[in-house]
Amino acid sequence: DQQVKQNSPSLSVQEGRISILNCDYTNSMFDYFLWYKKYPAEGPTFLISISSIKDKNEDGRFTVFLNKSAKHLSLHIVPSQPGDSAVYFCAAPRLYGGSQGNLIFGKGTKLSVKP
Amino acid sequence: ETGVTQSPTHLIKTRGQQVTLRCSSQSGHNTVSWYQQALGQGPQFIFQYYREEENGRGNFPPRFSGLQFPNYSSELNVNALELDDSALYLCASSLGQGSVTEAFFGQGTRLTVV
Repeated sequence: DQQVKQNSPSLSVQEGRISILNCDYTNSMFDYFLWYKKYPAEGPTFLISISSIKDKNEDGRFTVFLNKSAKHLSLHIVPSQPGDSAVYFCAAPRLYGGSQGNLIFGKGTKLSVKP
Repeated sequence: ETGVTQSPTHLIKTRGQQVTLRCSSQSGHNTVSWYQQALGQGPQFIFQYYREEENGRGNFPPRFSGLQFPNYSSELNVNALELDDSALYLCASSLGQGSVTEAFFGQGTRLTVV
């Protein structure tokens, strides 16, 4: 089973506060995870990734945390800005099944950052 | 900056018709992947083309087919359209197989089947 799950369809935060977007996965063999951001009428844009050999990766205001025992990762945005308002997708490369390397996406979480 | 362009941006078709969607990959990229994103869902992998050959396919019926041309641009063809084919179709280009971090997505084609 290879699934990536985002159970929160939406999240609203105030500008300047922290945004935490969550993602769970079903297969402990996943070894790489990615976050994409998508604005309306645009394609997804790669944001940040993390390898399973790490438990944290940071890039500016964006930090991804990986908890392998819980099969859970989260994206933290600090401080949140109105321009961060978008849909965020968690994804992992497919492990097997004839299409290795292509991405399995979660359903996405729509983040709204209010001024 | 992404160099992937898709055409058309919007399209309305009638059930049973056929449609062709086009993708121009980023310069230097030889791999194109197509995804379908239904409303409220994440993108679902349709298939990938690498150097003009199909290189992996997701769980989509044979009426979804594709081509990749020598300049690495690509087409997605869908025959016998069904209402459930209404979705945003995304293509992503990358250099080599499985280079997911270097995959750039186009803006998508919004297909509506009525």
